[in-house]
Amino acid sequence: QITLKESGPTLVKPTQTLTLTCTFSGFSLGTGGVGVGWIRQPPGKALECLALIYWDDDKRYSPSLKSRLTITKDTSKNQVVLTMTNMDPVDTATYYCVHTIYYSSSHWFDPWGQGTLVTVSS
Amino acid sequence: EIVMTQSPATLSMSPGERATLSCRASQSVSSNLAWYQQKPGQAPRLLIYGASTRATGIPARFSGSGSGTEFTLTISSLQSEDFAVYYCQQYTNWPLLTFGGGTKVEIE
Repeated sequence: QITLKESGPTLVKPTQTLTLTCTFSGFSLGTGGVGVGWIRQPPGKALECLALIYWDDDKRYSPSLKSRLTITKDTSKNQVVLTMTNMDPVDTATYYCVHTIYYSSSHWFDPWGQGTLVTVSS
Repeated sequence: EIVMTQSPATLSMSPGERATLSCRASQSVSSNLAWYQQKPGQAPRLLIYGASTRATGIPARFSGSGSGTEFTLTISSLQSEDFAVYYCQQYTNWPLLTFGGGTKVEIE
């Protein structure tokens, strides 16, 4: 059974850097074809894919946020970390960690972590 | 970027009724489309991938159809637990994976 759980601050100040950690079980990022992504959802709004990282350390970012995002993995710890710089109130959202697959165009997300609400406010 | 447009924004239905949700892509995504269900306070759950394949454990009352730019999610007989928000997602344009704005299925 695959599970993912997000952790990190619930409140950050404008201009600060957000660091979120996804800790997962039931799979390994050392296995070919496996990926982990971060998706966010502002309150009452739709979903936005932020970043993806794969078993071979291939990293992909949302073009509109690329300059602010960094995604890394620690295969031995079963963790993926997302950092987002220069946080703004518009970045207030629930941030989800997701499991995905690279092969055969299987780029859907299943399962999802429970999500963590991050509020940006002074 | 491929823009996904869902309609209607809200669907008011009664339990037992058949619900039909639409998702349109700004350009062809072939059959590279997934549907998710999100209940209040919960993470989205994968329902359908490949436009029509149900994910593991998803009841048969959920079905997906379409290809190219027009897709439909049908719930054959709404159960109380089906009232939720539904999102479509295209994955043909990897890594620019995009979601629709969602359709809320509410109790009439």
